[in-house]
Amino acid sequence: AQTVTQSQPEMSVQEAETVTLSCTYDTSESDYYLFWYKQPPSRQMILVIRQEAYKQQNATENRFSVNFQKAAKSFSLKISDSQLGDAAMYFCAYDRNMLTFGGGTRLMVKP
Amino acid sequence: GAGVSQSPSNKVTEKGKDVELRCDPISGHTALYWYRQRLGQGLEFLIYFQGNSAPDKSGLPSDRFSAERTGESVSTLTIQRTQQEDSAVYLCASSLKLGGYEQYFGPGTRLTVT
Repeated sequence: AQTVTQSQPEMSVQEAETVTLSCTYDTSESDYYLFWYKQPPSRQMILVIRQEAYKQQNATENRFSVNFQKAAKSFSLKISDSQLGDAAMYFCAYDRNMLTFGGGTRLMVKP
Repeated sequence: GAGVSQSPSNKVTEKGKDVELRCDPISGHTALYWYRQRLGQGLEFLIYFQGNSAPDKSGLPSDRFSAERTGESVSTLTIQRTQQEDSAVYLCASSLKLGGYEQYFGPGTRLTVT
């Protein structure tokens, strides 16, 4: 069975600074997808970024980028120029039809 | 267009009662998923439906849990003889297809079993 681990229960970043959230996963598959989802206090899950495992190039979406290391089974999320609206729970997820989620990292942004 | 909707948004029930939770996916999405999120935790997969194929029920925690989907539209998750450990937020999501497509989530149903 696949497992996803987020080793940082909480992280804090100063507004306009950069922060990196860690995620590791375990799988015997070679073809899969990885996601980062954001869950603000409203409880609504919002897609942040998506990575296809067969692509070596790291995905980027505006201020959000990933460092995907397939051999190490690592998938970290970097948030640049942090904004107050980035404060939320962030979940890393592995996709082989259904999503397997990590336990989440609570990100706090200090003004 | 409209997103994924779920009803009710909150449900309080007594231990031992049955509850039914509803999900309306985005029109045209063939895949529909149910997840459970306990307080302060990540989401746990429960079940998914893909078109007319047999659902994947591998995440259902016990035989008290069941789900149905009518074609490619509405789904209901039923929990029989509710227990206090069933208290959680139940989230529904839909996607265009299985396998790597973005899952769009509903706002969830918060279930409290007293």
